[in-house]
Amino acid sequence: NAGVTQTPKFQVLKTGQSMTLQCAQDMNHEYMSWYRQDPGMGLRLIHYSVGAGITDQGEVPNGYNVSRSTTEDFPLRLLSAAPSQTSVYFCASSRTGLYGYTFGSGTRLTVV
Amino acid sequence: EDKVVQSPLSLVVHEGDTVTLNCSYEVTNFRSLLWYKQEKKAPTFLFMLTSSGIEKKSGRLSSILDKKELFSILNITATQTGDSAVYLCAASSGGSNYKLTFGKGTLLTVNP
Repeated sequence: NAGVTQTPKFQVLKTGQSMTLQCAQDMNHEYMSWYRQDPGMGLRLIHYSVGAGITDQGEVPNGYNVSRSTTEDFPLRLLSAAPSQTSVYFCASSRTGLYGYTFGSGTRLTVV
Repeated sequence: EDKVVQSPLSLVVHEGDTVTLNCSYEVTNFRSLLWYKQEKKAPTFLFMLTSSGIEKKSGRLSSILDKKELFSILNITATQTGDSAVYLCAASSGGSNYKLTFGKGTLLTVNP
């Protein structure tokens, strides 16, 4: 099993550009989440999903969109990138939430 | 607003020392408390605690939850340089296990 796969690992965007961060898991997990991690801020929840077709907002959803058309994939879209979105983004998945989340290796995004 | 506070924010010890990391939480409809270890990249799951007073152990690491006082501690005995990492605490809210609020983490440095 590959676990949770995030692509790309690194990305540089110009202000105003859009892009999609990809996240895929092969563990048949129902729950998936996106977090951002900034220095001194810990991990903050952007959006989460409890199953295909169901998504909800987390703590910092502004500027990001998600969709969950399949159990395996949970892409995160930046609509119009801003320097404040420079961060490390982690995708995570869990079967039921009872045994914690498995995290992907992260995407380091820089917006200039 | 859901809140998780970890202390200390950083800690430097010598190999062989015992350390205690603290985590207090205030979240709506608390369900569980999780501990993660983060080295270079993605957080890795350590413990999930749902009941007060029941210690969970894994080798030299142990953790306990106090739901009355709203805190948890993570103990590491006989520390090794490989224990150097950021330790993250997270509380699940909303009566579920899938919406996590993280603390800012404790940076542990173990010197030889």
